Amino acid sequence: DADVTQTPRNRITKTGKRIMLECSQTKGHDRMYWYRQDPGLGLQLIYYSFDVKDINKGEISDGYSVSRQAQAKFSLSLESAIPNQTALYFCATSDLGDRGTRDTQYFGPGTRLTVL
Amino acid sequence: KQEVTQIPAALSVPEGENLVLNCSFTDSAIYNLQWFRQDPGKGLTSLLLIQSSQREQTSGRLNASLDKSSGRSTLYIAASQPGDSATYLCAVRRTSGTYKYIFGTGTRLKVLA
Repeated sequence: DADVTQTPRNRITKTGKRIMLECSQTKGHDRMYWYRQDPGLGLQLIYYSFDVKDINKGEISDGYSVSRQAQAKFSLSLESAIPNQTALYFCATSDLGDRGTRDTQYFGPGTRLTVL
Repeated sequence: KQEVTQIPAALSVPEGENLVLNCSFTDSAIYNLQWFRQDPGKGLTSLLLIQSSQREQTSGRLNASLDKSSGRSTLYIAASQPGDSATYLCAVRRTSGTYKYIFGTGTRLKVLA
C-alpha cells in the first residue's frame, strides 16, 4: 500500500461549491504539506503543518483552509471553489530524521481538481 | 526573492547516453536542495537531497552536485534507460524565514530506445 494516499484522485465541481481533499499517511511523519501544481509554474506551497497543533500558511493560502485531524491526516478545503483553483493538488510528508534524510519529502499521487 | 530555473524544459536522448540536467537558483542562502522525479499522472518521488554543507550525493546511476556560490546544481544520469523518461524537478529550501521549498518548473526527459 502507498505510504501517502489522497482522495479523491479526480474531482470536477462547479464554481461556489465547497470541496475537501483528504490526505492520509502511514509513514509516521509529523510534518505534512499541501501543494498545487499548475502547468509552467512549478509547485506552490498552500499550507503546512509540523504537528497536530501547528498549522502554517504557505505562499498561496488565500481561498484555502486546512485541518490536521491527527498525525496521519491532513485535509485541504476550498470553501467556495473558483475556476482558477483548477490544478493538480499534492499532499506530502517529511520527518526530522538524521541530517542526511531530513526534509526528504514524500508525495501522494495527487488530486486533479477541475472547477467549472 | 529566490527563483529556481531549469533548462532545458525538454530533452530527448538515445538510450545509453550519459546526461546532465541543470538547476539554477538566484539566492545562495539555501538550507538544502532536492531533486525529484515526476511520472505522468503521479506524484513526485524524491531522488536525492543535498544539504547546504555537502557538495554532492549519489544514488545508483544518479549523482547530484551542488555549488552554492554559483547558484547551480546538476543531476547526472549515467547510462540512461527508457525507464528514466519522466519530468525531473529541483527544489531549494531557504535558510530562514517561512519554511518553503521553491520548485523549478522541471525538465521533461525522454530516453529513446
